[in-house]
Amino acid sequence: AQSVTQLDSQVPVFEEAPVELRCNYSSSVSVYLFWYVQYPNQGLQLLLKYLSGSTLVKGINGFEAEFNKSQTSFHLRKPSVHISDTAEYFCAVTDRHSGGSNYKLTFGKGTLLTVNP
Amino acid sequence: NAGVTQTPKFRVLKTGQSMTLLCAQDMNHEYMYWYRQDPGMGLRLIHYSVGEGTTAKGEVPDGYNVSRLKKQNFLLGLESAAPSQTSVYFCASSPGLAEGIAKNIQYFGAGTRLSVL
Repeated sequence: AQSVTQLDSQVPVFEEAPVELRCNYSSSVSVYLFWYVQYPNQGLQLLLKYLSGSTLVKGINGFEAEFNKSQTSFHLRKPSVHISDTAEYFCAVTDRHSGGSNYKLTFGKGTLLTVNP
Repeated sequence: NAGVTQTPKFRVLKTGQSMTLLCAQDMNHEYMYWYRQDPGMGLRLIHYSVGEGTTAKGEVPDGYNVSRLKKQNFLLGLESAAPSQTSVYFCASSPGLAEGIAKNIQYFGAGTRLSVL
């Protein structure tokens, strides 16, 4: 079984400040990792994903995340946020191996990022 | 590009009433999913389907039924609605594993907000 922990339920920041949203996972097998973003009253959009290769992954809107296998973390970062980044961010995991439940995502509880002027 | 379309967007039910939520995707995806989103709980998988005519239970299936009679549609039914089913429901679809798990990314609809009084 897999689980995802998003350590902060809410993160308020000022515009143009850097931000880090934390995500830790637990799994008995190798995983793929994802960050989704949900803007107010909308569905989820894929922000970025880690499948293999470089542990630093770049996504849309200037976000990036770093996979750290030893710390089982996949923290999301942006060096300078905008008001329009205000949204809820979800970390998700699925296992890499074929068969079984590898196509089902396990989501964290979400982190609400609020960017203030 | 329509992507994943959910109908209706909002609905209010009385306890004991029944209703069906419709999800339609135009991406020829094999897999489809129904999630519910509750505050502080993230997204939890209700049911999913890996192909036309197949369905399976997810994490929280009780009180729900599903059908996938056509590849592009995935219906979620509530036979006797309860206040505990007040939630935001999201449908998602993904290509499937035929081209490898790395391409099996989930795409989400905009959600259905359901209140059960």
